[in-house]
Amino acid sequence: SQTIHQWPATLVQPVGSPLSLECTVEGTSNPNLYWYRQAAGRGLQLLFYSVGIGQISSEVPQNLSASRPQDRQFILSSKKLLLSDSGFYLCAWRRGDRVVVRTEAFFGQGTRLTVV
Amino acid sequence: GENVEQHPSTLSVQEGDSAVIKCTYSDSASNYFPWYKQELGKGPQLIIDIRSNVGEKKDQRIAVTLNKTAKHFSLHITETQPEDSAVYFCAARRNNNDMRFGAGTRLTVKP
Repeated sequence: SQTIHQWPATLVQPVGSPLSLECTVEGTSNPNLYWYRQAAGRGLQLLFYSVGIGQISSEVPQNLSASRPQDRQFILSSKKLLLSDSGFYLCAWRRGDRVVVRTEAFFGQGTRLTVV
Repeated sequence: GENVEQHPSTLSVQEGDSAVIKCTYSDSASNYFPWYKQELGKGPQLIIDIRSNVGEKKDQRIAVTLNKTAKHFSLHITETQPEDSAVYFCAARRNNNDMRFGAGTRLTVKP
């Protein structure tokens, strides 16, 4: 079965510090990978998605970047965090092959980031 | 791009009553509409989904209806239980990578 791991679960970082959140998927190959941010009391905002190693698409311009160094690894980074980067970050995956029976996305448990 | 609106933002019902959450979308090319349940401190979990070639889908106490003409879809939960309390999100997707979420509905089921 497929599983998705995301860490850390919570993180408190000072303004101006770097950020690295990691997400890995097991039990599948060539998944589509996604990073979402959920602000308090709001919906999910798509930040980045990737359809393959080294392929990153950004949905919104911001202080964050993403990388996919391996097929099942997706990393969210920042060189200098802002207060506005606080939120709940979610990694998700979907089957990336063309013939899909179900097209739902599976989410990780999330990382609550607080920038102080 | 796609814009998904979800109502209400909060919903409180008595145990055993029904709950209905409604969403509208703007892009007529959207063809996949999932609903997610998010419990406190956890990631969203898919509970039911519907494709644009289907008008209604049911899974035990949960059902989803889709009106393509009006571009709206709804989640119906019958015989609600306290464990149904959570935040529910609707979403609409046009292609493989463009899934837009509603702002969420906090459902509280009072025992």
